[in-house]
Amino acid sequence: DTAVSQTPKYLVTQMGNDKSIKCEQNLGHDTMYWYKQDSKKFLKIMFSYNNKELIINETVPNRFSPKSPDKAHLNLHINSLELGDSAVYFCASRGRRETQYFGPGTRLLVL
Amino acid sequence: AQTVTQSQPEMSVQEAETVTLSCTYDTSESNYYLFWYKQPPSRQMILVIRQEAYKQQNATENRFSVNFQKAAKSFSLKISDSQLGDTAMYFCAFMKHRTGNQFYFGTGTSLTVIP
Repeated sequence: DTAVSQTPKYLVTQMGNDKSIKCEQNLGHDTMYWYKQDSKKFLKIMFSYNNKELIINETVPNRFSPKSPDKAHLNLHINSLELGDSAVYFCASRGRRETQYFGPGTRLLVL
Repeated sequence: AQTVTQSQPEMSVQEAETVTLSCTYDTSESNYYLFWYKQPPSRQMILVIRQEAYKQQNATENRFSVNFQKAAKSFSLKISDSQLGDTAMYFCAFMKHRTGNQFYFGTGTSLTVIP
């Protein structure tokens, strides 16, 4: 059973396109996150939702819009993709004792 | 703001040997959690070990143990009997207890286990 799943795992697209990444967790956690991992492997938080409510919104271009239809899902929509958006995007949920459970990541390549 | 520093970008160790990865952090909080995560080439983020700041005893998980020095704000990871499967990027991370709700990651240490 996959605890935190993301689709798609790979996404190759042209500059200017709009794309979405979906995330689902079956752990019953209330809090979910989106992280961006750049080419130097640095992990930075983008957003966090607690029970469908946005609680963390880091300095991220407003082309990025998270949506949480329910507490088990947190999707990321990106408008007008740019070359600098190329990265690996991780979804995570927060469990007991503040432990983060990560999805497998989505590698986004913008051409 | 909290910061997490990993001063060793790359390390290597012979198979079956022991290696220690360093991590320091900066915070004014007294109650928090510290973590080590492993990211192998598959890129999956895997929890290695966790430490609560209020616990004086160092956490251990099989071959993995930490040396937690709260006063020095240091949280190093020791890997004993290194195995080829330990080759990965290792990230130290910090989270405040209850409030804040935000994970802060270090820049990572790339560990290679040499056969």
